Parts: sequence; C-alpha cells; structure tokens
Amino acid sequence: AQSVTQLDSQVPVFEEAPVELRCNYSSSVSVYLFWYVQYPNQGLQLLLKYLSGSTLVKSINGFEAEFNKSQTSFHLRKPSVHISDTAEYFCAVDRGGGYQKVTFGTGTKLQVIP
Amino acid sequence: KAGVTQTPRYLIKTRGQQVTLSCSPISGHRSVSWYQQTPGQGLQFLFEYFSETQRNKGNFPGRFSGRQFSNSRSEMNVSTLELGDSALYLCASSLVGQDTGELFFGEGSRLTVL
Repeated sequence: AQSVTQLDSQVPVFEEAPVELRCNYSSSVSVYLFWYVQYPNQGLQLLLKYLSGSTLVKSINGFEAEFNKSQTSFHLRKPSVHISDTAEYFCAVDRGGGYQKVTFGTGTKLQVIP
Repeated sequence: KAGVTQTPRYLIKTRGQQVTLSCSPISGHRSVSWYQQTPGQGLQFLFEYFSETQRNKGNFPGRFSGRQFSNSRSEMNVSTLELGDSALYLCASSLVGQDTGELFFGEGSRLTVL
C-alpha cells in the first residue's frame, strides 16, 4: 500500500517571498511522484513529475521539487511566489506498472498575500 | 486536442435519489479514473476503467458504480444518495502504455445532496 502526507493544509505567504510545500510518502515499492495544482473551480493540472533520473525536477512556471529517497519526501519549492500561484497543491504517488491507482495527499492551499 | 469533458458541471439532488455523471476522455486515452473530492479529505479514488473493464476499485460502498463504453467514455452512478455524497467528482484520463500515472483531469461535476 502507498500513502501521501501533506502536513500543511494551508500556507499563507507574502508575494515575492519563497515557499515550500511539504510532501512525504510511504510505499513498499519504487514510485513515481507528482505535484498537481488546482485553481478555483477547475480540475487538477500536472505541475511537475519525478519518474527517474535527476532528483530535481522543475516546472515551466518556476516551481521545483526534489525527490529524497532516504527521507521519502518530495517537497515543492518556489523562490519567489506570485499572486497567480494562489491555488491548492496536491502531492501524488503512483507505483506504475500500468495500473492507474494514483494516491493523492489531502492538499495544501497556498495563499499569496499581496 | 479537446480535454477531458465532464457533464453536468453542477447538480442538486435530494437524499434517496440517484445520479449519473458522464466523462469523455481525451481522444486516444483508454483509461478513465474517478475521484471524489471533499474538503479535508482530499481526493479519494473511486475506480478505474480500461477497455470497458474495471481494473481498480477504491473503498466506497456498492452504491457507487461505474462503467466504460467502447469509445472510452465513462459514466459513474451513485444510488440512494446520502448527504455525505455531496462532493466534487473528478474524472481523469490517461494514456495507457505511458505507465507513469500522469492523469489529465476534467473540471469536475459538483454534486449537492439536500
């Protein structure tokens, strides 16, 4: 079985400040890791993913996440947030193998304060 | 390329009624997954279909059911609605064979049970 823990349900941060959204996972097998973002009244969109290779992955809008196997973490960071980053962020894991049963965390609401 | 389409977007039902939600995946995507999203609970996996067969099922009562048609479109049905079924129901499709768990979400169907 696999699980995802996002300890912070809400994270307020001032505009242009850095932010880190924490994600820890538990799995008995190797997994793929994802961050999805959900803007108000919309579905989820993939932000970035770790499949293999370099442990640092980046999105096109300045977010990055680092896979840390020893700490079973996949924290999301951005050095300077913008008002438009206000959204809910979900960490997710999948064991692969062609069977889609992605497990999501409970989400972290990022509120950027002007 | 059209995204995942879910209908209806909003609906209101009363306890004891049943509801059917529809999902049209991205063209070429043969796997369709359903999730229930509620505040504080995050996304809970309902089931996943591939080639008209249910491959995975989450921990929901038998009142929740689904099916997939030969054109990959999927429906989910909830019978004997309860107040606790009020939620955003999200459908996601994926390209089987990609084997990475990356999901493409629709905007959801928001169900309110009175």
